[in-house]
Amino acid sequence: EIVLTQSPGTLSLSPGERATLSCRASQSVSSSYLAWYQQKRGQAPRLLIYGASSRATGIPDRFSGSGFGTHFTLTINRLDPEDFAVYYCQLYGSSPMYTFGQGTKLEIK
Amino acid sequence: QVQLQQWGAGVLKPSETLSLTCGVFGGSFSGYYWSWLRQPPKKGLEWIGRVNHSGFTKYNPSLESRVTISVDTSKNQLSLELSSVTAADTAVYYCARGEVDYFDHWGQGTLVTVSS
Repeated sequence: EIVLTQSPGTLSLSPGERATLSCRASQSVSSSYLAWYQQKRGQAPRLLIYGASSRATGIPDRFSGSGFGTHFTLTINRLDPEDFAVYYCQLYGSSPMYTFGQGTKLEIK
Repeated sequence: QVQLQQWGAGVLKPSETLSLTCGVFGGSFSGYYWSWLRQPPKKGLEWIGRVNHSGFTKYNPSLESRVTISVDTSKNQLSLELSSVTAADTAVYYCARGEVDYFDHWGQGTLVTVSS
């Protein structure tokens, strides 16, 4: 089983700043199968990035994904107040078929 | 614009069977994978299983012995049954549409509480 570890657990930043969120896999994985989601309180997750770097429909270009192998990054430029939420990375292809990281909470400083 | 709408019982007693249904509106049912996921209070996401329009299923090994996911293509619905529930099954349950490797549309979530 491949484990996804997200860091930091909590990230405190101000609007306008840049956020860098990390997702590390316990072994090398295909970047084609790494996705990122945003979840606001009381809401379902929303797909942001798939294939490690492709933005989902309607996602602003302030959101970008990168990485390969065991280390993946979600970068959010020019933080908007609406961006403060919990972010999850997700991998396809291990066992179980879909696994999630434990999440990073992005909070307003 | 595809929308997923969920419904089902929100309170169960231990040993009962959880039963939820998800209706798909405004989009094609075929050509996608349809999954159930859950999120215990204040915790992360766990994938439960998926089904395609032909009824082929794949389950999380940790839940496989208790889970049944089925599809009714005539109604554009998928269903989840989880047997012998315990307090550890208390969670918000989501249905979601997926491509092979990610989930692009989600239901609104249903809180299921297991309590005696």
